[in-house]
This record gives sequence, C-alpha cells and structure tokens, in this order.
Amino acid sequence: DAGVTQSPTHLIKTRGQQVTLRCSPKSGHDTVSWYQQALGQGPQFIFQYYEEEERQRGNFPDRFSGHQFPNYSSELNVNALLLGDSALYLCASSSLSWTGELFFGEGSRLTVL
Amino acid sequence: GENVEQHPSTLSVQEGDSAVIKCTYSDSASNYFPWYKQELGKRPQLIIDIRSNVGEKKDQRIAVTLNKTAKHFSLHITETQPEDSAVYFCALNPGANNLFFGTGTRLTVIP
Repeated sequence: DAGVTQSPTHLIKTRGQQVTLRCSPKSGHDTVSWYQQALGQGPQFIFQYYEEEERQRGNFPDRFSGHQFPNYSSELNVNALLLGDSALYLCASSSLSWTGELFFGEGSRLTVL
Repeated sequence: GENVEQHPSTLSVQEGDSAVIKCTYSDSASNYFPWYKQELGKRPQLIIDIRSNVGEKKDQRIAVTLNKTAKHFSLHITETQPEDSAVYFCALNPGANNLFFGTGTRLTVIP
C-alpha cells in the first residue's frame, strides 16, 4: 500500500518563475491538503481539495493555486515566485470520514534564488 | 483565529530522563489534539493524539494530557532514548478537516 507520494523532491527556481508540485494521496484517501513548512517552523495550511474543489484555504495569496484530479491526485502551483516562498511543501491526505490523522508525503523542497 | 503557542522551542535531556512539551491555544472549537514527530529530513508522523472528551492518553513511553478549561495540552516522554531526538509539533483542528500546527520543539536526547 503506497503512502503519500510527492514530486519533485527538490527543485530550484528563480524569482518570478512559476512552479508546479505534484501529490498522489494514500490509497483510499480522497482529500488532499497542502502545507508550507519554512525552515525551523511548523507546517502552515495552504488549502485543501476534495471532489476536485478547493474546500478550505489558509492565509496564502492568490499566487498559490491548486487542482485535484478525478483520481484524487493534486497539484500545487505557485506563480511569480518570491524568495520567501523557499520552503518544504508538504502534501497530506485523509478521507472525508476523517478520523483525525493526516498522512504526509516526504515533501518537495523548493529553493527560490 | 487560531493561535497555538508551543514551549520550549528547544529541549535537551539526558538519556533516561523525561521530557515535557506544552502547547496552549485560543480556539475553543478544537476537539482534536495530535502530536507529530518530524525527524531530520523526514515527513511529520503522528505519534499520539487525544480528543476533547478525554483528559489523558498513554501509549508506552508517550502520554498526552489535555486541560480544555485552561486550553493547554502537553506531551510527556518518559525514559527518553536517543531515537526520540527530533522536532515535535503539537496541532489542533480548528473545527475543520485540517490541522493548525505549533512552532515545534527540537528535542535532543544526550546519550
């Protein structure tokens, strides 16, 4: 049973560029949440997708957008990258009948130069 | 909005001693309080959780206590081992199917 998988694991971009990160949820899960974890900080909630729609959103600008596909996989897009967007981006999956636990992927480490 | 204060930010203990990490929060809607462990370069993983109808929960060397009236919950690790060294995050669910995390505690267990 595959857990949550994310790609790419590492990437480097320059300011102003755009990036797309990908996530496949754990088998049996239908809800995907994205978190940003800056160095030395706790994960910060970006948004959550269920049934291909954004259900909830944290305090992030519109430069951060996402998508969920019919197979429950998800993408996180960030436009007009800023230096401050450098972070570990974590995907977490759960089911709508949520028992509480979030299953995290290993993350995508984005460096913006 | 949600606010979670986690203390201490760093904690060093001798192997075999106990470690306690405390979180205080302001959102009264939360009814689920998990603790996650994140080893260096790894994903956060759930180690223990507690719901608002329970005051304490234990799992071997790990325990969590919750005081909803005072709005704080704590992680207790007894008989610490070097493999307990990691960053620990408390979290709560602000009335929705997502988690709001604390700022983390870096625990170092000295052999």
